[in-house]
Amino acid sequence: GAVVSQHPSWVICKSGTSVKIECRSLDFQATTMFWYRQFPKQSLMLMATSNEGSKATYEQGVEKDKFLINHASLTLSTLTVTSAHPEDSSFYICSARRFPLAGDGETQYFGPGTRLLVL
Amino acid sequence: LAKTTQPISMDSYEGQEVNITCSHNNIATNDYITWYQQFPSQGPRFIIQGYKTKVTNEVASLFIPADRKSSTLSLPRVSLSDTAVYYCLVGGNRLAFGKGNQVVVIP
Repeated sequence: GAVVSQHPSWVICKSGTSVKIECRSLDFQATTMFWYRQFPKQSLMLMATSNEGSKATYEQGVEKDKFLINHASLTLSTLTVTSAHPEDSSFYICSARRFPLAGDGETQYFGPGTRLLVL
Repeated sequence: LAKTTQPISMDSYEGQEVNITCSHNNIATNDYITWYQQFPSQGPRFIIQGYKTKVTNEVASLFIPADRKSSTLSLPRVSLSDTAVYYCLVGGNRLAFGKGNQVVVIP
């Protein structure tokens, strides 16, 4: 249980185009979904927190107009990188936090990640 | 964001028990402690979670002292496939990933 998928797993695009990444919780409903970015040899950095039906909350330094987040349902969140540039090339990972079960500390379950390469 | 501190790296031989420590001095009263494993180009994988004392599952044990300011992940009899980065996190909301601990299992 607690499986999170991401699509696509990798994408190559030209500079200036927009790219959409989907994150789905497959076997549970997620109270909240999160988006992270990870550069090579570095740790994950939280970009934004997303709740179904409300606006995402972005971390300091993350441009909300560049990284558009839509949380359409309790099982789907999308991240759109608008007007992508080479410096946006990174590994994007989402996570989903399910409704807490008894004894559960609001665990986040992570997707497999999406590798974005902007040429 | 609650911060954690871990050793940067450690090596271990195959078949040995590996203990990875984590400091979280500013843990909040209602925070759980969660450990994840990450392989290159993959998302973090949940290993174990605990609040206090000891928790054990099929892959690991987690030891948490009474003051909860630290925790230790124990991996019994590691194999080469356990080579990965291990992260400890506290809380369940906005997680602050530290640098993690790169564990290398040597044949």
